[in-house]
Amino acid sequence: DAGVIQSPRHEVTEMGQEVTLRCKPISGHDYLFWYRQTMMRGLELLIYFNNNVPIDDSGMPEDRFSAKMPNASFSTLKIQPSEPRDSAVYFCASSFSTGSRSYEQYFGPGTRLTVT
Amino acid sequence: AQSVAQPEDQVNVAEGNPLTVKCTYSVSGNPYLFWYVQYPNRGLQFLLKYITGDNLVKGSYGFEAEFNKSQTSFHLKKPSALVSDSALYFCAVRDWNTNAGKSTFGDGTTLTVKP
Repeated sequence: DAGVIQSPRHEVTEMGQEVTLRCKPISGHDYLFWYRQTMMRGLELLIYFNNNVPIDDSGMPEDRFSAKMPNASFSTLKIQPSEPRDSAVYFCASSFSTGSRSYEQYFGPGTRLTVT
Repeated sequence: AQSVAQPEDQVNVAEGNPLTVKCTYSVSGNPYLFWYVQYPNRGLQFLLKYITGDNLVKGSYGFEAEFNKSQTSFHLKKPSALVSDSALYFCAVRDWNTNAGKSTFGDGTTLTVKP
């Protein structure tokens, strides 16, 4: 298995621009998570999905952030408009809810976002 | 509600010595407990988990963790540390008695193993 795939790996953009981060979870996993990691705030859960349905978006910082999961193999996190304080590493993770590996989260390599 | 605490921001040990990274948790029901490791510029990697059964759980890279219900702790241990074990370690908890699929992560502990 290729693991969780994220793209792009690095993104540099100017303040005010729209940013779209992409994630392909591990095949068969029914949970998908989006996290943000910074030195100041550590690892923060932004939103998670179960069977493509958003379950908890209480961690989404503002209306500028939105996430979708149109099918079981793809999710996006969009920031519009972007601001310098959005600079962080964004991780996608996925997991099973059943079986011996239930709730073990497998993380992608992350997208390092820099907003200037 | 579920929460986890890692009381040490940093742990320093000499190579070859035993290491312990501490974690305590709080859940209203029974816990799923996890340890993850993050190497520089990488995503978190699953190390091991406790669901039920034997209180001593063995995981990847020679790590193990001991579940202690009375102390609500799940400390990560390794008998002999390697320089390559230097990384950021996260403890996480999920309450069995919930439909929520998410785990709550601690703030992380930086482990430095010196030659």
